[in-house]
Amino acid sequence: EPEVTQTPSHQVTQMGQEVILRCVPISNHLYFYWYRQILGQKVEFLVSFYNNEISEKSEIFDDQFSVERPDGSNFTLKIRSTKLEDSAMYFCASSDIAFTDTQYFGPGTRLTVL
Amino acid sequence: AQKVTQAQTEISVVEKEDVTLDCVYETRDTTYYLFWYKQPPSGELVFLIRRNSFDEQNEISGRYSWNFQKSTSSFNFTITASQVVDSAVYFCALSEGGGSYIPTFGRGTSLIVHP
Repeated sequence: EPEVTQTPSHQVTQMGQEVILRCVPISNHLYFYWYRQILGQKVEFLVSFYNNEISEKSEIFDDQFSVERPDGSNFTLKIRSTKLEDSAMYFCASSDIAFTDTQYFGPGTRLTVL
Repeated sequence: AQKVTQAQTEISVVEKEDVTLDCVYETRDTTYYLFWYKQPPSGELVFLIRRNSFDEQNEISGRYSWNFQKSTSSFNFTITASQVVDSAVYFCALSEGGGSYIPTFGRGTSLIVHP
């Protein structure tokens, strides 16, 4: 069964450093998303991406964040200058037809900012 | 603005008991989508169900069932004959269909099923 994969599973970084979180969505899916979940809290939407551009973004997704689909398979989330409060689990998801279609989530990347 | 309330922070049951997880939502849109996700202790998010606002039929999938009631803005989730493997955090989410599809998640209900 096809699945969304994410690397690394855990990333530790120093405050102020740039990090890139990587995702490989399900191959025939067209819509891609990033979410985050601060430990023990609810899941929060960050951004959706379709046709090589951002479709929607939340207030959390400020200028420090960017997304890219550098090739036909990867979907990345970059945080330019990490802050302590960026520590969270970051989930990538993809869906087939539309934003409100079933979204399949990856296993997540735990980001720890020291 | 859309809002999802899962008033039950934690529920503890003994195996084989039935358990209902509540979800109450607020939205001004007539078209919207409701979701339930499971997050087991391993941390991944597992999709359980998607329901649009025009389909009020209840749904059953094995031991899982969902009761959608627009009159009370609720989309409750029942697990029949719970099992230890059902132990997880369950999130209800709402996505409006009138332009912005940004989903709002509830705070989740932690279900603990004891053997």
